[in-house]
Amino acid sequence: DGGITQSPKYLFRKEGQNVTLSCEQNLNHDAMYWYRQDPGQGLRLIYYSQIVNDFQKGDIAEGYSVSREKKESFPLTVTSAQKNPTAFYLCASSILRYGTGELFFGEGSRLTVL
Amino acid sequence: GESVGLHLPTLSVQEGDNSIINCAYSNSASDYFIWYKQESGKGPQFIIDIRSNMDKRQGQRVTVLLNKTVKHLSLQIAATQPGDSAVYFCAVVTGGGNKLTFGTGTQLKVEL
Repeated sequence: DGGITQSPKYLFRKEGQNVTLSCEQNLNHDAMYWYRQDPGQGLRLIYYSQIVNDFQKGDIAEGYSVSREKKESFPLTVTSAQKNPTAFYLCASSILRYGTGELFFGEGSRLTVL
Repeated sequence: GESVGLHLPTLSVQEGDNSIINCAYSNSASDYFIWYKQESGKGPQFIIDIRSNMDKRQGQRVTVLLNKTVKHLSLQIAATQPGDSAVYFCAVVTGGGNKLTFGTGTQLKVEL
């Protein structure tokens, strides 16, 4: 079945460590996104990519990095520079841009910093 | 910019009743609006969308109403069922499709 797969579902990290969250889609979508979700807040955009080898910062990109080497993959690295990384991270994809179709979300990755 | 807010963080309804979840947005140039449902521990799922050239759109048991005059959006769920229990988010697209802003979400609780 087509969809978006995020891994791992749960991740624990010590302070000062970088971690990478995986996001893979087999929907043949051009655009992919990473959001962060905190309790009581709406989803906030970290990074997005509309085409392979290109990506743009979202509203809260500081402390994060991404790559888009393949159409189906958009990994997110949470670096040690991110001061408050504990959160629920959601990856999404769409056919092209937001206005042309719905976002399809993965099941999320919950990162906890110990 | 755009800010999006929901009127109630929590809404409790009896099974079989209709539910109405409200959302307000700030930017009159917003042109595309989406409702998502998020069950506990899962990613959001698309429910229904509406463009700014429409006032109402209906799906299966759901209706979205858009009032551009007061910048207000609502999601109506008919005959609410226990499976409708989730957090509901509105999302607003502004700036020609490059910017999607999510509201903070309303937790819908269905009482038996």
